[in-house]
Amino acid sequence: KNQVEQSPQSLIILEGKNCTLQCNYTVSPFSNLRWYKQDTGRGPVSLTIMTFSENTKSNGRYTATLDADTKQSSLHITASQLSDSASYICVVSGVNQGGKLIFGQGTELSVKP
Amino acid sequence: DAGVIQSPRHEVTEMGQEVTLRCKPISGHDYLFWYRQTMMRGLELLIYFNNNVPIDDSGMPEDRFSAKMPNASFSTLKIQPSEPRDSAVYFCASSYGSYNEQFFGPGTRLTVL
Repeated sequence: KNQVEQSPQSLIILEGKNCTLQCNYTVSPFSNLRWYKQDTGRGPVSLTIMTFSENTKSNGRYTATLDADTKQSSLHITASQLSDSASYICVVSGVNQGGKLIFGQGTELSVKP
Repeated sequence: DAGVIQSPRHEVTEMGQEVTLRCKPISGHDYLFWYRQTMMRGLELLIYFNNNVPIDDSGMPEDRFSAKMPNASFSTLKIQPSEPRDSAVYFCASSYGSYNEQFFGPGTRLTVL
């Protein structure tokens, strides 16, 4: 069964600190992996999209890495800000799956002053 | 572009009533997706359309749910009759191409009493 698992489930950090969120997936064959940010009460917003040939992709203070061999991805947030408090969702798409995405349960990040 | 537009933003109804959720995708996008999000199950794909044609409705929970896309700028998700377990946030998303970024609407929070 195709699955996407994220860790930790929740995380509290102090403003200005860095953090790393993890994602493991079993989707095969794999097409691409996305990280979404979802603020409370809003729809998810895409941060990065990586294909199997990409190892890293950055979007401002967000850097995603991908190891297609081990089926692992991470999202690193640098110099966290209060506005980074949100749920971060790892999403995987398989080959020949059309637009179907498989979502992780998300990591709830809370940045405290 | 105003992004994906959903209405209503909040809906409270009583069990047994018909509920219709509406979505206007981003102009020019050829894929439209309906998702449901709950605390227990996270984000789940219900159905998606390509060029107004339903491609995969395997995520639709039961016959009480139906979705239509009469034209490229409008889609509806209908629940009839509604049940308390249908309470969730329903998101509409659109994309240009199946593997490109999906843009989510703000969601409709449905409460069935």
